[in-house]
Amino acid sequence: DAGITQSPRYKITETGRQVTLMCHQTWSHSYMFWYRQDLGHGLRLIYYSAAADITDKGEVPDGYVVSRSKTENFPLTLESATRSQTSVYFCASSVGNTIYFGEGSWLTVV
Amino acid sequence: DQQVKQNSPSLSVQEGRISILNCDYTNSMFDYFLWYKKYPAEGPTFLISISSIKDKNEDGRFTVFLNKSAKHLSLHIVPSQPGDSAVYFCAAAVPRRVQGAQKLVFGQGTRLTINP
Repeated sequence: DAGITQSPRYKITETGRQVTLMCHQTWSHSYMFWYRQDLGHGLRLIYYSAAADITDKGEVPDGYVVSRSKTENFPLTLESATRSQTSVYFCASSVGNTIYFGEGSWLTVV
Repeated sequence: DQQVKQNSPSLSVQEGRISILNCDYTNSMFDYFLWYKKYPAEGPTFLISISSIKDKNEDGRFTVFLNKSAKHLSLHIVPSQPGDSAVYFCAAAVPRRVQGAQKLVFGQGTRLTINP
C-alpha cells in the first residue's frame, strides 16, 4: 500500500527558477492538500483540491500554482522560486476527518 | 494570528513517566481536534483525535482531553517510551460544509524527548 508518494524528496534550486513538486496517491481520495512546514509556524495550507479540476487557495498560496487533471496526482509548481520558499513541503489526502501526509519534499532555494 | 498554539517548543520526560503535551486555540468554531506525530525526515502521522462533543478520547497509551471552556486540549502519553520521541502537532478543524474539505489549522509543534 504505497499511499502518498512525493518527488523529488530533496531539491536545490536557484532563485527565479520554476520548480514542480509531484504528488501521487493510490487511495483514490477525493481531497488532496499541499502544506509547508517552517520553524515557528507549524504546517500551513498552501492549496487544496476537492476533486479533479477543482482547486482552491489555502492560507499561503502566493507564488504557487497547482493543477489536478487526474484524481491521483496533485503537482505543486513554484513559478519563480524565491528564498522565502525554502521549506519542507507535504502533500496530503483525506478521508473523513483525517488527513494523511506524504513523506515530504525538502526544497532549498539559493 | 495564530489560532492554534503550542506554547512549549520542547519537552523532556523520563521513560515510563507521563508525557503531557498542551495546545490552546482561539477559534470557538473549531469542532474537531487531532494530534499528529512526526519523526525527522518523515511526514506527520495521525495519532488520535477528538470531537468537540466529547471531553476525552483514549487509544492505548494515548489520551486526548478537551476543555472547551478553556479552549485547551492536551495529549497524555502513559507510560512514555523512547519511540515516542518526536515532534507532536495539534491541529483543529472548523465544521465542513457539505462535502467540503477538512482543512486543518496546525500548532507550531512540541518536540518530545523521552530519556532512558
